[in-house]
Amino acid sequence: NAGVTQTPKFQVLKTGQSMTLQCAQDMNHEYMSWYRQDPGMGLRLIHYSVGAGITDQGEVPNGYNVSRSTTEDFPLRLLSAAPSQTSVYFCASQRWDDQETQYFGPGTRLLVL
Amino acid sequence: KQEVTQIPAALSVPEGENLVLNCSFTDSAIYNLQWFRQDPGKGLTSLLLIQSSQREQTSGRLNASLDKSSGRSTLYIAASQPGDSATYLCAVHSGGGADGLTFGKGTHLIIQP
Repeated sequence: NAGVTQTPKFQVLKTGQSMTLQCAQDMNHEYMSWYRQDPGMGLRLIHYSVGAGITDQGEVPNGYNVSRSTTEDFPLRLLSAAPSQTSVYFCASQRWDDQETQYFGPGTRLLVL
Repeated sequence: KQEVTQIPAALSVPEGENLVLNCSFTDSAIYNLQWFRQDPGKGLTSLLLIQSSQREQTSGRLNASLDKSSGRSTLYIAASQPGDSATYLCAVHSGGGADGLTFGKGTHLIIQP
């Protein structure tokens, strides 16, 4: 199993550009989520999905869109990047069971100029 | 709103010492609590998961305890090694189950050879 994979590892964007951060998991997990990690802020939940076709907002959803067309993939879209979105983004997945741990991807480091 | 606090923010100890990292949370209505390890520039690795009905979990030299009523958890590391140097994150799973994890800001641990 590859676990949770994320691409790209690093990206530089100009203000106003759009991009999609990719996340995939091969563990057949129902639950997937996106977090951002900022210095001094800890990790914060952006969006999550409990299954294909179902998504919902987390703590800091503004400026981000998600979709879940398959169980494996959960892309995060930035429609118009802003410097405030400079961060490290982590995708996570979990079997839909409160007893299970979450598995995290290696992260995407995004710099918006 | 759940809030998670980790003390200390940073810790440096000589190799071989036993040490304790602390985590506190404001809302005791939790499903579980997890301790993660994060190495510089890397993703998160789950170390221990404690269910709300449990008091402690052990894995090798690591022992995590949970006192849900007082909103506290500790991570005990025995016989520390330089390879234990990393940031340790505490995360609480609460709310409706789909709300994701609430993270503390972490303890940056350095083990001096």
